Amino acid sequence: KAGVTQTPRYLIKTRGQQVTLSCSPISGHRSVSWYQQTPGQGLQFLFEYFSETQRNKGNFPGRFSGRQFSNSRSEMNVSTLELGDSALYLCASSESPGGQDYNEQFFGPGTRLTVL
Amino acid sequence: DQQVKQNSPSLSVQEGRISILNCDYTNSMFDYFLWYKKYPAEGPTFLISISSIKDKNEDGRFTVFLNKSAKHLSLHIVPSQPGDSAVYFCAASATKYGGSQGNLIFGKGTKLSVKP
Repeated sequence: KAGVTQTPRYLIKTRGQQVTLSCSPISGHRSVSWYQQTPGQGLQFLFEYFSETQRNKGNFPGRFSGRQFSNSRSEMNVSTLELGDSALYLCASSESPGGQDYNEQFFGPGTRLTVL
Repeated sequence: DQQVKQNSPSLSVQEGRISILNCDYTNSMFDYFLWYKKYPAEGPTFLISISSIKDKNEDGRFTVFLNKSAKHLSLHIVPSQPGDSAVYFCAASATKYGGSQGNLIFGKGTKLSVKP
């Protein structure tokens, strides 16, 4: 079974631009979560999607948005980029929301976003 | 306000010795705890978990100890191997079957270096 894939792996943008990141979950997994990892804040939950519906949202501004498609693939979008948005964005998939156990959540390698 | 704290950003240990990674939490509602390991350029992978009804869980070289009264948990790796060099994240949840991945709160991580 292929793992969680994220594209692109690296991205460089300038302030004010917008960016779209993509995540393909493990086949059969219907829940996708997004996290932001920064040295100062660690791993922070952005949002979770299941069956094309946002189930939960972390404490991030409205510039951060996401969606999920019928094939469970998910995208997240950040508009009006700020320098502080530079981070590693991780996607994780599980069979269902929350999984039967959190250890059933599998992470992708992440997209490294640099905002100049 | 950080609910899950890993106060040591880094730890260096000699191969063959014990590595002890610490984690403190503030929310007394947390009842399920996990450790994730993360290598550079890869997503976090689940390592070991513990429920609040236990004070110890062991899996091979890895043991997690939970002290509920002190709101403290630790991960012991014995013996430490160079391949264990990675960033270790502690995470906590108010319920094992939280229904949403957003219930998982991560610490900022501790970088472990195991020297040959």
